[in-house]
Amino acid sequence: EPEVTQTPSHQVTQMGQEVILRCVPISNHLYFYWYRQILGQKVEFLVSFYNNEISEKSEIFDDQFSVERPDGSNFTLKIRSTKLEDSAMYFCASSEALGATKNIQYFGAGTRLSVL
Amino acid sequence: GQQVMQIPQYQHVQEGEDFTTYCNSSTTLSNIQWYKQRPGGHPVFLIQLVKSGEVKKQKRLTFQFGEAKKNSSLHITATQTTDVGTYFCAGPKLNTGNQFYFGTGTSLTVIP
Repeated sequence: EPEVTQTPSHQVTQMGQEVILRCVPISNHLYFYWYRQILGQKVEFLVSFYNNEISEKSEIFDDQFSVERPDGSNFTLKIRSTKLEDSAMYFCASSEALGATKNIQYFGAGTRLSVL
Repeated sequence: GQQVMQIPQYQHVQEGEDFTTYCNSSTTLSNIQWYKQRPGGHPVFLIQLVKSGEVKKQKRLTFQFGEAKKNSSLHITATQTTDVGTYFCAGPKLNTGNQFYFGTGTSLTVIP
């Protein structure tokens, strides 16, 4: 069964450093998403991406965040200058399209980001 | 802003007891999806409800979408230890694109 893959599974970084989290969405999916989940809390929407541009973003997704699809398969989330409060699990997801039945989101296993 | 609340936040049940989680959105949703997240895992899609008042069943799980498309429920009959995890509802606001609002989640513990 096709799946969304994320690397690395765990990233440890110093405060102020830049990190790039990587995702390979399911190959025939057109919409890509990043979510954040702080330990023990709910899943929070960060951004959606379609046709090589941001489709929607939440208030969490400020200037410190950026997303990119550098090639035909990877989808990345960059945090420019990490803060302690960026420590969380980051999930990538993809969906086939929009609309009922097509917007089912398939999640990767996540990258745990630890900012020290 | 958009809020999707779930109650209860935590639920402990004896194996074999029933379990229900309720999802309430502050605005009308286009459709609603339910996800299960096992401890240490990632959200896994369970089901999608689209129509007002829709009811769907998956074995011991029954899902309902409210008439106003602002609330939903998940009921598990005769819980098993494999049901342990956090259940999230999620959906896009009506007439918007693809910004998904996840509920606050209900963490289910099943005591054998």
